[in-house]
Amino acid sequence: QSALTQPASVSGSPGQSITISCTGTSSDVGGYNLVSWYQQHPGKAPKLMIYEGSKRPSGVSNRFSGSKSGNTASLTISGLQPEDEADYYCRSYAASNSFGLYVFGSGTKVTVL
Amino acid sequence: QVQVVQSGGEVKKPGASVKVSCKASGYTFNNYGISWVRQAPGQGLEWMGWVNPYNGNTNYVQKFQGRVTMTTDTSTNTAYMELRTLKSDDTAVYYCAIDSPQDSSSSLYWGQGTLVTVSS
Repeated sequence: QSALTQPASVSGSPGQSITISCTGTSSDVGGYNLVSWYQQHPGKAPKLMIYEGSKRPSGVSNRFSGSKSGNTASLTISGLQPEDEADYYCRSYAASNSFGLYVFGSGTKVTVL
Repeated sequence: QVQVVQSGGEVKKPGASVKVSCKASGYTFNNYGISWVRQAPGQGLEWMGWVNPYNGNTNYVQKFQGRVTMTTDTSTNTAYMELRTLKSDDTAVYYCAIDSPQDSSSSLYWGQGTLVTVSS
């Protein structure tokens, strides 16, 4: 079993919307509604942006939204802003013998053009 | 407010052990689990395991089993991650992360990270 698959990079202009995909299997993403998304700026700790697939923690902009279809979860950033430029990781509950409780995605670098 | 402070960076030789600490404050320590996540230089996040401060239960990724021990000290609200028989590819920033009160499957509060360098 490998990390969840994300595109290596996604880019967009300020004000545009972008979507990052996170593809797993029926044993992780598809089997549970327990995908979370994290934003990480260079040299900083990750920050929780979405939990339980589509819920936002207090203080996270409503420009960030999450969804899921089958074995693929998605993070959409609307009204892209320069401060959104960062790495983004999905994480899913997996509860597998090899992966333990959770597995991360491979990460996506978002560039604001 | 919740604060999570990790111990400082470490330099270790191959074959040695390292123990990273994670001191939490601002909430009831026993109530939320703690994950350990590492990030090798220029690489992505890797979930290593989880410990329940209430009862000490743990869950480790299979690749680390036998080499890692995650514990907590409820008297000092501190979690520990010990990794033994270090190899050069264990060089990474190690983070502790506290389960979200709203959803235990996500990590809301993170430490600042501890750089562990393994080099001869």
